[in-house]
Amino acid sequence: DIVMTQSPLSLPVTPGEPASISCRSSQSLLYSDGSNCLGWYLQRPGQSPQLLIYLGSNRASGVPDRFSGSGSGSDFTLKISRVEAEDVGIYYCMQTLQSPLSFGGGTKVEIK
Amino acid sequence: QVQLHQSGPGLVKPSQTLSLTCAISGDSVSSTSFAWNWIRQSPPGGLEWLGRTYYHMSKWNYEYGTSVKSRITISPDTSKNQFSLQLNSVTPEDTAVYYCARWDHMSRYFDCWGQGALVTVSS
Repeated sequence: DIVMTQSPLSLPVTPGEPASISCRSSQSLLYSDGSNCLGWYLQRPGQSPQLLIYLGSNRASGVPDRFSGSGSGSDFTLKISRVEAEDVGIYYCMQTLQSPLSFGGGTKVEIK
Repeated sequence: QVQLHQSGPGLVKPSQTLSLTCAISGDSVSSTSFAWNWIRQSPPGGLEWLGRTYYHMSKWNYEYGTSVKSRITISPDTSKNQFSLQLNSVTPEDTAVYYCARWDHMSRYFDCWGQGALVTVSS
């Protein structure tokens, strides 16, 4: 099974400032077609998770362009260029290369 | 627009079977473009994928998570356009919020989630 590791566990942020979350996988998530099988989800308080980024760097429909995903192989990053108050919640990375699918442990983003 | 609506008991006794249903509107459980999943979130907060079912090459396929493989069954119901989760021999460690979700095969993501249902395992 692929193990996903996120850091940091908690991320206090100042509105308007950038933020960055790291995600590492226990094996490469590079698919045969060249895509990276890594997604990012945000779970706001009291809500179901929602998709932010898929296949490593593709923003989902309706996701603000302040969110970006990068990385390849087994090392990935989610960046928020300028944090807004509505960005608070828990961010999860998830490997989508193979079954069983697996999530990182989550990064809690909160406003300072 | 696809919607998923979960239902089932919120309290299950230890050693019994946890059963949840996810009703689909706006899509078909038999669609070959998607898979139908169950995911849970234990009180500390981590997400755990439990398994999925999907229709492909004229047959139903099933994939399950390692930690629950011996106790789980996910079943499609084409007559009611829904799918269900059964988890046998539950313990208090199975207490969690359970979500159903649709998986897009092409883009490899969950694009729609149910509202979530807290299931508590307690006597």
